[in-house]
Amino acid sequence: DAKTTQPTSMDCAEGRAANLPCNHSTISGNEYVYWYRQIHSQGPQYIIHGLKNNETNEMASLIITEDRKSSTLILPHATLRDTAVYYCIVSYTGANNLFFGTGTRLTVIP
Amino acid sequence: GAVVSQHPSWVICKSGTSVKIECRSLDFQATTMFWYRQFPKQSLMLMATSNEGSKATYEQGVEKDKFLINHASLTLSTLTVTSAHPEDSSFYICSAHLGLAGGRGTYEQYFGPGTRLTVT
Repeated sequence: DAKTTQPTSMDCAEGRAANLPCNHSTISGNEYVYWYRQIHSQGPQYIIHGLKNNETNEMASLIITEDRKSSTLILPHATLRDTAVYYCIVSYTGANNLFFGTGTRLTVIP
Repeated sequence: GAVVSQHPSWVICKSGTSVKIECRSLDFQATTMFWYRQFPKQSLMLMATSNEGSKATYEQGVEKDKFLINHASLTLSTLTVTSAHPEDSSFYICSAHLGLAGGRGTYEQYFGPGTRLTVT
């Protein structure tokens, strides 16, 4: 699986959009981009995943660049409960073991 | 979404004793479950892959005789930490995937809430 690079930490004002970037320049053609988050002392939570097209669900939107070498997770209206570590993971199917890098620690500020 | 539970949520044990952690998929069947370990301020590290009805596959550096995994049914996998020592104190998390998601040939993994083990 391709490795990913994410900023160590980010802050976001409550109510504003949080944009979390991820670089995956070595991604192969059939690898998906997955996003998970981990709130303190809890198990990770699935957010969204995509291959080429942008994806949106009730939690977030995923924007993948045309060359697929990077992506951005967007939380449209961040709340204090969105404070967590966000992991960008590249995987062929998502079924196998997931490699969790260091992630981005997002802090939503009141 | 699917629910994965773990029991206990936390446990304190004395050095040299064994501790069993249960991971259950509550509303779906999971032929495969994963066990991760997370030390403070570090990321999750895969320990082993648990397959229903067969032996678990352990990651390099994980002692299979120390971390016993049993996947006796499609909804239950257990991790037993044998002869626990203080260095085994960690946050143990299991996960399972629900199955093909939306027909795209991909899977969403669901994680348990974790079990915090403290060995004194």
